[in-house]
Amino acid sequence: SYVLTQPPSVSVAPGQTASITCGGNNIGRKSVHWYQQKPGQAPVLVVSDNSDRPSGIPERFSGSNSGNTATLTISRVEAGDEADFYCQLWDSNSDPRWVFGGGTKLTVL
Amino acid sequence: EVQLVQSGAEMKKPGESLKISCKGSGYNYPIYWIGWVRQMPGKGLEWMGIIYPGDSDTRYSPSFQGQVTISVDKSISTAYLQWSSLKASDTAMYYCARNRDSYLDYWGQGTLVTVSS
Repeated sequence: SYVLTQPPSVSVAPGQTASITCGGNNIGRKSVHWYQQKPGQAPVLVVSDNSDRPSGIPERFSGSNSGNTATLTISRVEAGDEADFYCQLWDSNSDPRWVFGGGTKLTVL
Repeated sequence: EVQLVQSGAEMKKPGESLKISCKGSGYNYPIYWIGWVRQMPGKGLEWMGIIYPGDSDTRYSPSFQGQVTISVDKSISTAYLQWSSLKASDTAMYYCARNRDSYLDYWGQGTLVTVSS
């Protein structure tokens, strides 16, 4: 099955920019999606298809994807952004076809 | 407004059976796949399987094939996840989510299943 690799943790000071990576073989050829999960809550989709933001998601959240790395970027980080973030994709050659990364804990210092 | 509402928390003993539910509303229910995701305590998200309410076509992750059964009753817009014999290792939060294209755009609130003797 396809493997997505995320760093376990990322720390950033308020007002700075956080970058969370998601690595995979030729991931740049696939559509990557990102979810934010705050403690005690269900995950929420924050970026779909590499860089699209669902309605209601702040413009501070953006995504990119190239080569072997997809990246979720959060600008002007706020304390309320502290959460676990998961990347996910669908791969027709993988079983299961829906694959999640291991998750990254974003800590706002 | 799209909503997925899951059944309440369950506390069961090893060996018991269980069926949890996920009711959708606010959209054309039969045409969107519904997926199930497990989250064990303190761990990440794991894909379990998915079902198409229109014809009950079901796909399981190899890790969960034979361990759970996913079903749907489209007449009441409800998907189900069931176990015939629970184990302590099934203790987890279980989420249902609507699949759009290849991503999960709406999620249920989660059902906590605790299995303990």
